[in-house]
Amino acid sequence: TQLLEQSPQFLSIQEGENLTVYCNSSSVFSSLQWYRQEPGEGPVLLVTVVTGGEVKKLKRLTFQFGDARKDSSLHITAAQPGDTGLYLCAGGYSTLTFGKGTMLLVSP
Amino acid sequence: DAGITQSPRHKVTETGTPVTLRCHQTENHRYMYWYRQDPGHGLRLIHYSYGVKDTDKGEVSDGYSVSRSKTEDFLLTLESATSSQTSVYFCAISESTPVHEQYFGPGTRLTVT
Repeated sequence: TQLLEQSPQFLSIQEGENLTVYCNSSSVFSSLQWYRQEPGEGPVLLVTVVTGGEVKKLKRLTFQFGDARKDSSLHITAAQPGDTGLYLCAGGYSTLTFGKGTMLLVSP
Repeated sequence: DAGITQSPRHKVTETGTPVTLRCHQTENHRYMYWYRQDPGHGLRLIHYSYGVKDTDKGEVSDGYSVSRSKTEDFLLTLESATSSQTSVYFCAISESTPVHEQYFGPGTRLTVT
């Protein structure tokens, strides 16, 4: 089983701050996906990164795939309360394995 | 949003009773999945289907069975519910391989007393 370790587990910040969350593994992945889950709802896909070193931007969110395709990061610029949620990374070869997630709380 | 519904959305049942959860999609996607989500464990795959009548086990399949008689429906059955099966269950779909992007339903909160 390929393990995905996410850090930090929990992050509480004020509106306007920047933050980075991490997704690390000892395994190489062909691609990694990031999802956001709000309370009481299912995860929603944000992005897929495929190429080592790839950087993708989604408004204030920047996703990076490590050169060795073992890790990924998500950077949020000027966080807003609407960014609050559980951020999950996922990857795999036969089926998807999900990390346990980073719970982000952005206070006004 | 992908057309995925789950029913029921909430259920309380007693230990030892059978329970069936239903996932319905309108996207005609080939792959369907059942996950459970628990504090400290994250999302874990129970079973998945790669076509009508084609299913396979996931990481935590013990105590669960599935059936897929139509492309649009994927059923998860707990033959004899136990308290350890109290969880939030999510159905997901994907268009191609199991490592392709997945789209999730709203979840079913199941409590086994």
